[in-house]
Amino acid sequence: DGGITQSPKYLFRKEGQNVTLSCEQNLNHDAMYWYRQDPGQGLRLIYYSQIVNDFQKGDIAEGYSVSREKKESFPLTVTSAQKNPTAFYLCASRDGGGPNNEQFFGPGTRLTVL
Amino acid sequence: AQKVTQAQTEISVVEKEDVTLDCVYETRDTTYYLFWYKQPPSGELVFLIRRNSFDEQNEISGRYSWNFQKSTSSFNFTITASQVVDSAVYFCALSEVSGSARQLTFGSGTQLTVLP
Repeated sequence: DGGITQSPKYLFRKEGQNVTLSCEQNLNHDAMYWYRQDPGQGLRLIYYSQIVNDFQKGDIAEGYSVSREKKESFPLTVTSAQKNPTAFYLCASRDGGGPNNEQFFGPGTRLTVL
Repeated sequence: AQKVTQAQTEISVVEKEDVTLDCVYETRDTTYYLFWYKQPPSGELVFLIRRNSFDEQNEISGRYSWNFQKSTSSFNFTITASQVVDSAVYFCALSEVSGSARQLTFGSGTQLTVLP
């Protein structure tokens, strides 16, 4: 079945450690996105990529990094510079860069900093 | 700048009641798209509907209906005869055509609880 997978589902990190969240899609979508969701809040955009080897910062990119070496993969690294990384992270993809197409979401990764 | 407001943080209804979730948006574009997503307790967002700014026809899909009014910049969502399975967080989102805004701007969501 086509879709988006994120791993791991739950992730625990010690302060000062970098961690990488995986996002893979087999929908052949060009655009991919990373969002952060805090309790009781909406989704905030961290990074997005419209084509391979290109990505742009979203609203809250500080303390995060991404890569887009393959069309189907868009991993997110939460660095030690991110001051408050505990959150729910959602990856999404969209067919083409146009604003009319809906985004499809993965199941999310819940990151907790101990 | 684009903005989406969902003023209702939490709503509780009893099963079989109708419920309307409000969404108000701000944009300078004349061409834009509005979306509704459902986030069940599992966490994954599920796409419900897309509407472009030139189509103000209301839409009905089973127990769901949407009322789009450009005059009031609103895109409200009604669930008729609610069921316990409708319990979720519902997000309204906006996507503009212009500039680099190739992403969705989300409202803060409305937590709907349907009680048996």
